[in-house]
Amino acid sequence: KAGVTQTPRYLIKTRGQQVTLSCSPISGHRSVSWYQQTPGQGLQFLFEYFSETQRNKGNFPGRFSGRQFSNSRSEMNVSTLELGDSALYLCASSLRDAGQETQYFGPGTRLLVL
Amino acid sequence: KNEVEQSPQNLTAQEGEFITINCSYSVGISALHWLQQHPGGGIVSLFMLSSGKKKHGRLIATINIQEKHSSLHITASHPRDSAVYICAVTNTGNQFYFGTGTSLTVIP
Repeated sequence: KAGVTQTPRYLIKTRGQQVTLSCSPISGHRSVSWYQQTPGQGLQFLFEYFSETQRNKGNFPGRFSGRQFSNSRSEMNVSTLELGDSALYLCASSLRDAGQETQYFGPGTRLLVL
Repeated sequence: KNEVEQSPQNLTAQEGEFITINCSYSVGISALHWLQQHPGGGIVSLFMLSSGKKKHGRLIATINIQEKHSSLHITASHPRDSAVYICAVTNTGNQFYFGTGTSLTVIP
């Protein structure tokens, strides 16, 4: 089975722009979670989607949003980018429940905001 | 105060040594995860446990729910075990909390 894929792998944007990141889960996995990793804050949970519905959300501003499609692929969007949004964005998939099952992580998208 | 505390932050070991990484948490949890992150960013989920002990190869993870503590042990450590090990918990509301990680270097 193919693993979790994320596109793009690297991205450079400027402040005020918006960005959309994509995640394709392992075939058959219906739960997709997104995480932000920065040197200062470490790993932080953004949100989890299951069957096209946001099931859980971390403590991030409304500029961070996401969605999931019927084929379980997921996108996250960050609007009005700030310098502090520079980070590695990771998505992970699991069969049904990110909290209760093994998650499989993608390679991440490294975003640099200038 | 962080909901998840890991120790030590950094660890250097000689090849073959037995290694222990500790994780303490302050929230009620439904599950605890141990993750491994190699340079370059890729993360692998090593264990997900809610009670007792799990073993996979040279890796052993234990959890004591009453004491809110988990340990990750690596037996016969090898340079390829060099990575950052991250403890994460999910609370009863399925919110994730992460430790800051333990950076392990195993010297040949």
